[in-house]
Amino acid sequence: DAGVTQSPTHLIKTRGQQVTLRCSPKSGHDTVSWYQQALGQGPQFIFQYYEEEERQRGNFPDRFSGHQFPNYSSELNVNALLLGDSALYLCASSSGTGTTFGSGTRLTVV
Amino acid sequence: GENVEQHPSTLSVQEGDSAVIKCTYSDSASNYFPWYKQELGKRPQLIIDIRSNVGEKKDQRIAVTLNKTAKHFSLHITETQPEDSAVYFCAASIQGAQKLVFGQGTRLTINP
Repeated sequence: DAGVTQSPTHLIKTRGQQVTLRCSPKSGHDTVSWYQQALGQGPQFIFQYYEEEERQRGNFPDRFSGHQFPNYSSELNVNALLLGDSALYLCASSSGTGTTFGSGTRLTVV
Repeated sequence: GENVEQHPSTLSVQEGDSAVIKCTYSDSASNYFPWYKQELGKRPQLIIDIRSNVGEKKDQRIAVTLNKTAKHFSLHITETQPEDSAVYFCAASIQGAQKLVFGQGTRLTINP
């Protein structure tokens, strides 16, 4: 049973560029959430998708957007990248019984 | 919104001793409290969780206690081993909403 898979694992972008991160949820999970984890910090909630709609959103600017597809997979898009966007981006999928995290995408903005 | 405070930020104990990490939360509507272990470069992994209708839960060497009145919960690890060294995060959520609010993390080091 595959867990949560994310791609790519590492990414280096230049300030001002745009990036798309991808996530495939654990089998049987229909809800996908995205978190940003800065070095030495706890994960911070970005937003959550369910039935292809954004259900909840954390305190992140509109530069952060997402999408969920009919197969429950999801994308996180970040526009106009800033140096401060450098972090580990974690995808988490869930059902009614628990949340499973992927291994994350390490984004470095230079 | 919910806010979760976690203490201490670092903890060093001798192998075989016990370790305790404490968290407080602000939103009385929160009713689900998981604990995650994150090793360097790896994903957060759920180690134990507790729901608000339970005061204590134990799984082998790991236990979690919850005090709803005081809005705090704690992780207890007994008979610590070197492989327990990692960063531990507490979190809180309103079950069903599934958004997790995390504490700042505790770096636990087990000294041989």
